[in-house]
Amino acid sequence: TQLLEQSPQFLSIQEGENLTVYCNSSSVFSSLQWYRQEPGEGPVLLVTVVTGGEVKKLKRLTFQFGDARKDSSLHITAAQPGDTGLYLCAGADSWGKLQFGAGTQVVVTP
Amino acid sequence: DTAVSQTPKYLVTQMGNDKSIKCEQNLGHDTMYWYKQDSKKFLKIMFSYNNKELIINETVPNRFSPKSPDKAHLNLHINSLELGDSAVYFCASSQDRAGLGNTIYFGEGSWLTVV
Repeated sequence: TQLLEQSPQFLSIQEGENLTVYCNSSSVFSSLQWYRQEPGEGPVLLVTVVTGGEVKKLKRLTFQFGDARKDSSLHITAAQPGDTGLYLCAGADSWGKLQFGAGTQVVVTP
Repeated sequence: DTAVSQTPKYLVTQMGNDKSIKCEQNLGHDTMYWYKQDSKKFLKIMFSYNNKELIINETVPNRFSPKSPDKAHLNLHINSLELGDSAVYFCASSQDRAGLGNTIYFGEGSWLTVV
């Protein structure tokens, strides 16, 4: 049973469009992290959100943590081909156990 | 310098063999992990060590045995390999446990194919 559900599983858009990836759970996490993984490499951390309702911005990426700390979203504005990759959300409990979602494969075409 | 390095990057082996994957981190971190990523890209934790002590041991067949000779190394030994063991195995490290908001740094992965 997956604790974290990501949607959509796959997203193909054109350069300049906006996109949103969702990460939902019935569990409460002490923190939630978003990673991007490119082919042949390990996941790379993009952001960590800790406080319910928190919003963090990283250039064209906006991350939001739900008020109840059970869900999160990642919004990319004016997507570029360099944003192509597998986006993974991961929830951490207080013991350091990180549970990953199944990932959203994003493809941005020029 | 690579922060988290694991070897080998690719490994093709026959069923029934025993193999090891080695991992080293040069970040001075206290916590190290092994994750398994299956063909559907689902990443699942297997083990975690903090200061050489096992702190997370998920439901993993006992054919998998981690060994941490020191804080900078966490190796994974797999006995009697099965077809279902084919996956990408990622080593990772963080200053302290992930739940405390610490950044986890992943290695580049070891592609294991069992034939």
